[in-house]
Amino acid sequence: AQSVAQPEDQVNVAEGNPLTVKCTYSVSGNPYLFWYVQYPNRGLQFLLKYITGDNLVKGSYGFEAEFNKSQTSFHLKKPSALVSDSALYFCAVRDDSNYQLIWGAGTKLIIKP
Amino acid sequence: DSGVTQTPKHLITATGQRVTLRCSPRSGDLSVYWYQQSLDQGLQFLIQYYNGEERAKGNILERFSAQQFPDLHSELNLSSLELGDSALYFCASGNSGSFETQYFGPGTRLLVL
Repeated sequence: AQSVAQPEDQVNVAEGNPLTVKCTYSVSGNPYLFWYVQYPNRGLQFLLKYITGDNLVKGSYGFEAEFNKSQTSFHLKKPSALVSDSALYFCAVRDDSNYQLIWGAGTKLIIKP
Repeated sequence: DSGVTQTPKHLITATGQRVTLRCSPRSGDLSVYWYQQSLDQGLQFLIQYYNGEERAKGNILERFSAQQFPDLHSELNLSSLELGDSALYFCASGNSGSFETQYFGPGTRLLVL
């Protein structure tokens, strides 16, 4: 079965430090992967996606994600965290059977000043 | 601002009642998706419409129904409401194709008392 997992419910990072939010996936075909961010009381905002090509995908707000086929991972990264990056982050993978997105449970990112 | 609008922002109603949530997609987007977000079940895909036709169904209850109108706006109807239906309901729209990015509206917060 196709699935996506975000193994950490919460990640705490000090402002200015690099951050990583983890995502692993399981699909039968080629993986098509997405990252979204949700700020409190807001809708989800698209950050970036991987369809094919370069394993390092650059997105909005200075975020990037690294696709690793052998480890079936698509971790979200940022070199220097800002307090304003504190939010809920969702990873999603496209389901090959119906082209819908399968969503991770979300990771709460807390950046401390 | 994603360009997707949802009304109302908040809705408080009683068990057994029926409500209608409305979504207007981004200009030019033909796809509309409906999601339910609750604390215990995360983000759940309900249903997708494409250019007026139902394209995919997710975990949508029989008490819930949706439609997309010729002007591409969509409505989600929730009937015989139960306490457990209290959640955030998001609409998203997409531009095209099987790799389309979904752009989310701000959501409707439904509270069933």
